[in-house]
Amino acid sequence: AQTVTQSQPEMSVQEAETVTLSCTYDTSESDYYLFWYKQPPSRQMILVIRQEAYKQQNATENRFSVNFQKAAKSFSLKISDSQLGDAAMYFCAWMGVGTSYGKLTFGQGTILTVHP
Amino acid sequence: DTAVSQTPKYLVTQMGNDKSIKCEQNLGHDTMYWYKQDSKKFLKIMFSYNNKELIINETVPNRFSPKSPDKAHLNLHINSLELGDSAVYFCASSQGLAGLNTGELFFGEGSRLTVL
Repeated sequence: AQTVTQSQPEMSVQEAETVTLSCTYDTSESDYYLFWYKQPPSRQMILVIRQEAYKQQNATENRFSVNFQKAAKSFSLKISDSQLGDAAMYFCAWMGVGTSYGKLTFGQGTILTVHP
Repeated sequence: DTAVSQTPKYLVTQMGNDKSIKCEQNLGHDTMYWYKQDSKKFLKIMFSYNNKELIINETVPNRFSPKSPDKAHLNLHINSLELGDSAVYFCASSQGLAGLNTGELFFGEGSRLTVL
C-alpha cells in the first residue's frame, strides 16, 4: 500500500521569507502523480501544485515550487516570498496513474504559520 | 457560482440518528468522491463514482450509503450514527477516467458532522 509521510507537524516562517515543507512517500508503482494541497481555516482544499512522476523537471507555480527526487521518494514544497495568506495546513498527496480513479493518498499535514 | 457545493455545512445530531449530506458540482465532471477528514485532520477516501457507477469503496461500514442520481450529484446517507462518525466530510469532483484523470480534484467546503 502507498503511504505518504509529512514529518513536520508544524512550521513557521516570517513574511517575505522562504520555507520548505517536507514529504516522503512509499510506492512500488513507477507512474504516479504527486500533489500539494492547501487547507486554509475556511476548510476548502485547494490544489497548490502537481508533479507528474515521469517528468524530471520540477513543477513551479508562481511562488510555489517543488523539489522532486524520484529515487529518494521525496517531494518537498518551497514557498518563496511567504505571504500572510499562505498560512494554512498543507497536505502532500499521491495518486497512481491508470487505475486509481482519483484516489488520493494524503500525508498527515503540516500547519504553516506566517509571522508578519 | 460555487463549483462543488455541499449541504449542510454543519450538522449536529444524536447517536443513532440517520442523516444525509448532499453534494452537487457544476463543473461538468464525470467523477465524484467522498473523503473523510478525522479529528486529527487525516484525509481518507471513502467512495468514488464515475458516471453514476461506484468505482471505489474503501472498506467503509455499510451504514454509509452513497447515492449518485446523476453525474452532477453524489449524496451520502449515514444510518445509525455513532460517535466515531464525527468528522468533516468532503465531496470532490474531477474529470476523466483512469489514464486521463490528472488528479486535480475540486473539493467542496466540507460538511462538519458532530454526533453527540
